[in-house]
Order: sequence, then structure tokens, then C-alpha cells
Amino acid sequence: AQTVTQSQPEMSVQEAETVTLSCTYDTSESDYYLFWYKQPPSRQMILVIRQEAYKQQNATENRFSVNFQKAAKSFSLKISDSQLGDAAMYFCAYRSVEYGNKLVFGAGTILRVKS
Amino acid sequence: NAGVTQTPKFQVLKTGQSMTLQCAQDMNHEYMSWYRQDPGMGLRLIHYSVGAGITDQGEVPNGYNVSRSTTEDFPLRLLSAAPSQTSVYFCASSYTGRGSDEQFFGPGTRLTVL
Repeated sequence: AQTVTQSQPEMSVQEAETVTLSCTYDTSESDYYLFWYKQPPSRQMILVIRQEAYKQQNATENRFSVNFQKAAKSFSLKISDSQLGDAAMYFCAYRSVEYGNKLVFGAGTILRVKS
Repeated sequence: NAGVTQTPKFQVLKTGQSMTLQCAQDMNHEYMSWYRQDPGMGLRLIHYSVGAGITDQGEVPNGYNVSRSTTEDFPLRLLSAAPSQTSVYFCASSYTGRGSDEQFFGPGTRLTVL
């Protein structure tokens, strides 16, 4: 079974600076999908960014980008120009192609933004 | 569109009681799922459905039942609540549940079992 590991329980960043959240996963598959979700204090889960494993180009969405290292099975999230509204729990998630109906989540990283 | 709605938002049960968490979506999504969120464990899949009349187990199905009689609704039943089922429950839906398909989440239900 696939597993997703987020090794940083908590991170802090100064407003306007850049922070990187780590995610590693364990799989024997060659094709799969990766996601980052944000959960602010409101508890609402929001998709931040997604990456297809067959695409070598790293996904970007405005201030959010990923560093996808397939060989290392690493999928980190970079947040540039951090804003107070970025403070949230961030979850990394994996979806198999073969077992595509199941989304596997990591334990999450709490991001605190200091003003 | 209301998106994914869940009721109730909060619930307190006594051990042994039963209840149903409601979930509905108005986006005509085929795929619906239930997760529980516990501290330090992320979200874990309980049950999912790929269409009306079709359900399957996820990672932590014990103690929970589901059914899918319509495309819109996917209720989660706790048959005999236990303190270990104290958690935050999320319902989610997507078009197919596969590939890069985005899952849309409801606002969650915080359940406490005494």
C-alpha cells in the first residue's frame, strides 16, 4: 500500500518570505497523481496544486509551486511571498492510477505565518 | 451551486447510540467518499462510491455503513458509536475520483462519542 509522509509537523515563516513544505511517498507504481490540500482554521479543505507523475515539468499556481523529484519520491510545496492567509494545515496526498478511487493523505504540516 | 453539504456540523453521542451523517452534492458527481480526520493521522478513507448503487470500503471501514441510492446523497451510518469514533468527518465528491480529478470537500462534522 502507498504511504505518504510529511516529516514536518509544524513550520513557521515570516510574512513575504518563502517556505517549503516537505512530502515523500512510497510507491512501486510509475504513474500516479500528487496533490497538496490546504485546511485553514475554518476546516474547509481546498486544493492548492496537483501534479501528474508522467509530467516532468513542475506544477505552479501563482505563488505556489512544487518540486517534484520522481526518483527520490519527493513532492515538496514552495510558497513564495507568504501571506497571513496562508496560515493553515497543509496535506500532501497521493492517488494511484491502478487504485485510482483512493486518495491517500499524509499527516499534515501546520504552517504559521508571522507578521 | 451549494457544492458539498454535510449535516450536522457538530454532534455528541453516547457510546452505543447510532446516528447518520448526511452528505449531499449538487454537482452531478459520480464519485463520493467519506474520510475521518484525526490528529497526527491526516485524513483516512472510510468508504467510497463510484456511482448510485455502488459502494466499497476504504482504509478504515469498521463500524460504519454507507449506501448510495441517488447520485446526490451519500449518508454515513454509525451503527453503535464508540469513543474511538470521536473524530472530524468529511464528505467529498468528484466527477470520477480518478486521475487528476479534484475532490471537493464538505465543511465537516465534528463528532464526539462519550
